[in-house]
Amino acid sequence: TQLLEQSPQFLSIQEGENLTVYCNSSSVFSSLQWYRQEPGEGPVLLVTVVTGGEVKKLKRLTFQFGDARKDSSLHITAAQPGDTGLYLCAASGTYKYIFGTGTRLKVLA
Amino acid sequence: GAGVSQSPSNKVTEKGKDVELRCDPISGHTALYWYRQSLGQGLEFLIYFQGNSAPDKSGLPSDRFSAERTGGSVSTLTIQRTQQEDSAVYLCASSAGQGTREQYFGPGTRLTVT
Repeated sequence: TQLLEQSPQFLSIQEGENLTVYCNSSSVFSSLQWYRQEPGEGPVLLVTVVTGGEVKKLKRLTFQFGDARKDSSLHITAAQPGDTGLYLCAASGTYKYIFGTGTRLKVLA
Repeated sequence: GAGVSQSPSNKVTEKGKDVELRCDPISGHTALYWYRQSLGQGLEFLIYFQGNSAPDKSGLPSDRFSAERTGGSVSTLTIQRTQQEDSAVYLCASSAGQGTREQYFGPGTRLTVT
């Protein structure tokens, strides 16, 4: 059962544009993580958010955890070709991680 | 230090054959996870080890799949009588312990069943 839905599934934008991807669930999670995965590699952790309403910034990336801890968003400012990849959100329970379906981002130079 | 390594990186096998996939976690990491990823999509949880024990095997797709971990380190995922629908990238991750949020992933093994 897929509990995390990500949108959009695919996104192709020009360098310099801004974008937001979403991760939604009907369940409450204790924490949520965002990963980026490049072809032929495993996912790499970008950030973990744990508090409802929390906002974290990582250079041009801004992550927000919803107040009810059911959803999250990732906003990228002035996207660059190096941002291209598959972005995955993951929610953790006691030990198990549930991953979203992913957003495949392509930034064109 | 060394990250998570997996072998082989690619495996092509004929339908009906058995395959073994190996994962070497980061030294000292007690938790180890196996996932399956199809067609660049999200990850499907397969199994989790804490030490050598697997508290939850419910993610394994069928009884053809099994996994073990020895010495609290290396883990092998075995798929018996492979089917074409088993074709996917199998990812392994490790973390410092139960309740630790940061997982570190290996590069994966791409399995193709012909």
